Amino acid sequence: DVKVTQSSRYLVKRTGEKVFLECVQDMDHENMFWYRQDPGLGLRLIYFSYDVKMKEKGDIPEGYSVSREKKERFSLILESASTNQTSMYLCASSETGRTEAFFGQGTRLTVV
Amino acid sequence: AQSVTQLDSQVPVFEEAPVELRCNYSSSVSVYLFWYVQYPNQGLQLLLKYLSGSTLVKGINGFEAEFNKSQTSFHLRKPSVHISDTAEYFCAVSYTGRRALTFGSGTRLQVQP
Repeated sequence: DVKVTQSSRYLVKRTGEKVFLECVQDMDHENMFWYRQDPGLGLRLIYFSYDVKMKEKGDIPEGYSVSREKKERFSLILESASTNQTSMYLCASSETGRTEAFFGQGTRLTVV
Repeated sequence: AQSVTQLDSQVPVFEEAPVELRCNYSSSVSVYLFWYVQYPNQGLQLLLKYLSGSTLVKGINGFEAEFNKSQTSFHLRKPSVHISDTAEYFCAVSYTGRRALTFGSGTRLQVQP
């Protein structure tokens, strides 16, 4: 089975902190994604990566950055956390091409 | 702009009744279509997918969906729901030229005894 693992299920951070969300996949997938999930808005794409060190902005990249130094690992970085970044964050991976994505369990981040 | 619409934010239904969750997408030459389910405090799990071939697609847990190109729809159905089907359901579309899936806003299915 494909496994996508997010390092934390729940996080509480203070406003202004730098926050790292980590994601690891074990299926040698080329593509990795970070989505944000908010009630009534569904999943919105923050960033994705199609290869090591390659990244593209999604629909809502402001306030976020990403890092992919190894194929299996994709990190989401909140440079200076704000309360409006309180949300559920979902990492996903997929093979090359227009195939389904496999999701991690999610990280519920609260910024206070 | 490419978009996916799930008109019903919540669908209450009694156990053993049939259910249909609606999904419409903005028209495109070529689309691949997916339904995902999310149980409380979990990630998303693939229910079924349409890539090509028969327009009626069967998935896990007794769900099925029908691709209707003329109506740009991909509605999800189950003939008899169980309490355990209570979850949030997301429709997603893969559009040509976009690597990531585009998701709808989700439909919360509430199965009552």
